Amino acid sequence: NAGVTQTPKFRVLKTGQSMTLLCAQDMNHEYMYWYRQDPGMGLRLIHYSVGEGTTAKGEVPDGYNVSRLKKQNFLLGLESAAPSQTSVYFCASSYLYGGAPTDTQYFGPGTRLTVL
Amino acid sequence: DAKTTQPTSMDCAEGRAANLPCNHSTISGNEYVYWYRQIHSQGPQYIIHGLKNNETNEMASLIITEDRKSSTLILPHATLRDTAVYYCIVRVARNTGNQFYFGTGTSLTVIP
Repeated sequence: NAGVTQTPKFRVLKTGQSMTLLCAQDMNHEYMYWYRQDPGMGLRLIHYSVGEGTTAKGEVPDGYNVSRLKKQNFLLGLESAAPSQTSVYFCASSYLYGGAPTDTQYFGPGTRLTVL
Repeated sequence: DAKTTQPTSMDCAEGRAANLPCNHSTISGNEYVYWYRQIHSQGPQYIIHGLKNNETNEMASLIITEDRKSSTLILPHATLRDTAVYYCIVRVARNTGNQFYFGTGTSLTVIP
C-alpha cells in the first residue's frame, strides 16, 4: 500500500512549455485534490475531484487543467508554464464515510516545479 | 481573504504542553476547524478537527471558544518530533464539495 504517490518529484520548465503532473492513490479514495504551496505560505487548492470523471475549481485554478479518467489517478496539466507557477505541488485524497467526505486528507510527497 | 490567523512562530520545551492559538473570527456556523501539520517539506498530516465542541484524540486536543471565533490546539507532551508547521484550517462546504482554506501556519520548535 503506497498511499499517495506523485510523479515527477522535481521538474524544471522553460516559460511556455507544457507538462502534466501525475497523482496516483491505491486506497480507493473517492476525493482527490491538487494544491500548490509557495515559499512561506500555506497550501492553496487548485482543483479537486469528487469522483471519476468529475472535477471542480478550487481557490487558484487559472493556468491549470485537470482530468480524472480513472478513480485512482488525478492529472494536473500546465498548458503554457509561467514563472508564477514555480511552486511545490501537493496531491491529496480522502474517502467517503456515510456518504460524506471524511476530510482526513492523505497527502503525497510533493512535486517541486521551477519555471524559468 | 484570510480565514484564519496564527502566530508566525512559537517555541516549546520538550515534555511541556504546546498551546497553539488560532483566530477565525469570520467563521460561519457550518464551517469546521481542522488542524494539520507539515514536517520539513513533506505533505501535511491530519491532526484533529471540530465544529463547536472540544475534541481529543491520541495526538492532540482542540479547544474551541463558545463564540467559535478562536481555537487552541494542545499537544500535551511535546517531543522533538513535533517540530513542524501547524496549520489551522477552516473547511467551507460548497455544492461541489468541501474546500480547505490554509493559513500561513505556526512554525513550532520543540527545544530539548
